[in-house]
Amino acid sequence: RKEVEQDPGPFNVPEGATVAFNCTYSNSASQSFFWYRQDCRKEPKLLMSVYSSGNEDGRFTAQLNRASQYISLLIRDSKLSDSATYLCVANAGGTSYGKLTFGQGTILTVHP
Amino acid sequence: NAGVTQTPKFRVLKTGQSMTLLCAQDMNHEYMYWYRQDPGMGLRLIHYSVGEGTTAKGEVPDGYNVSRLKKQNFLLGLESAAPSQTSVYFCASSPRDSRYPQHFGDGTRLSIL
Repeated sequence: RKEVEQDPGPFNVPEGATVAFNCTYSNSASQSFFWYRQDCRKEPKLLMSVYSSGNEDGRFTAQLNRASQYISLLIRDSKLSDSATYLCVANAGGTSYGKLTFGQGTILTVHP
Repeated sequence: NAGVTQTPKFRVLKTGQSMTLLCAQDMNHEYMYWYRQDPGMGLRLIHYSVGEGTTAKGEVPDGYNVSRLKKQNFLLGLESAAPSQTSVYFCASSPRDSRYPQHFGDGTRLSIL
């Protein structure tokens, strides 16, 4: 089983749609979680951190369910510019360094 | 405000040649990392460093060596390049506190013929 698993998609949605991605992690010791965005042939960029209480940043909402060990990302009112690969990330946990485990990514395409 | 800078951006090598990829960060981060990304494989950790003068193996270390002589620099070396090392290489850095994310350079595209 992969440490961080994501549905690879692709998700094809029209502009204005709401889309949700889920991700599961296997290491119960993981303490920090993030969503990164990666555009084609570019570096991953931090989209948002994921906090236990859930957090929102504009059209983006992240949720964490520690009991079920899954993380979600909700995008509302999708824009063409949201088209990218979204990476779910968990830290290794239980160690003193910031090793991160990346999911393989979920591809999102927003069309007119 | 450079962040993480990788050089070179592109390189083509012949099998058996050697080269060094350079990563520099100006955020005073303690930790630095080298990843490779291949189609369908996601990001895989090659080597990492938790401080100046220290390095450790990641998930796919074979065929690579690293050095961190200065806190701001992390070098990735290929002693004898192989076609299987054709990939996109990303360097990243982060603070010691694992609550904070990693920051990535914009990558080096390496082709081994």
